[in-house]
Amino acid sequence: DARVTQTPRHKVTEMGQEVTMRCQPILGHNTVFWYRQTMMQGLELLAYFRNRAPLDDSGMPKDRFSAEMPDATLATLKIQPSEPRDSAVYFCASGLGLAGSYEQYFGPGTRLTVT
Amino acid sequence: KNQVEQSPQSLIILEGKNCTLQCNYTVSPFSNLRWYKQDTGRGPVSLTIMTFSENTKSNGRYTATLDADTKQSSLHITASQLSDSASYICVVSVMNNAGNMLTFGGGTRLMVKP
Repeated sequence: DARVTQTPRHKVTEMGQEVTMRCQPILGHNTVFWYRQTMMQGLELLAYFRNRAPLDDSGMPKDRFSAEMPDATLATLKIQPSEPRDSAVYFCASGLGLAGSYEQYFGPGTRLTVT
Repeated sequence: KNQVEQSPQSLIILEGKNCTLQCNYTVSPFSNLRWYKQDTGRGPVSLTIMTFSENTKSNGRYTATLDADTKQSSLHITASQLSDSASYICVVSVMNNAGNMLTFGGGTRLMVKP
């Protein structure tokens, strides 16, 4: 049963610390998305990659957030330095083809708490 | 500004009853519309995807409708079950130079009571 995996599932850190979240997309999927979900804002698209190249990261605060795909089996989202307002659930999703025209499969999320 | 508005924000129904969730959007040019179900503490799971030319699509007890002229969609749940308790998110996709832009609704939180 292929699924997207994310680590860690929960992360509590202090303000100013670096946070790295990891995602393993479904094998064979060529598009990876990072989302953030809060009670106030709902789901927001932060960035997405196709064939490991960043296509759109306009939803991501550039000064502290960075997203990369070192290889086809790993996507990372890094926050440095972290702030309390970054507390949210971060979801990774993967799929095939152009982002708007196909199914996306979501991981279980990383719940981040910044104190 | 592209927007997706969902109503109601929350809903409580009794097990076995039907319900309908609404989604109105202003995004343009429209590519497709999706309904997701998100259980508490889990990632969203797709229920339906509809393109411009489709006006209804079913997935078991879930039936989504789309009126592209009025820019409205609905998700109808038949014979609700306790497991239907979740948030339901409407997502509208529009193509841009980067390939896609997804606009998310705020979701409807459904609670099914025995």
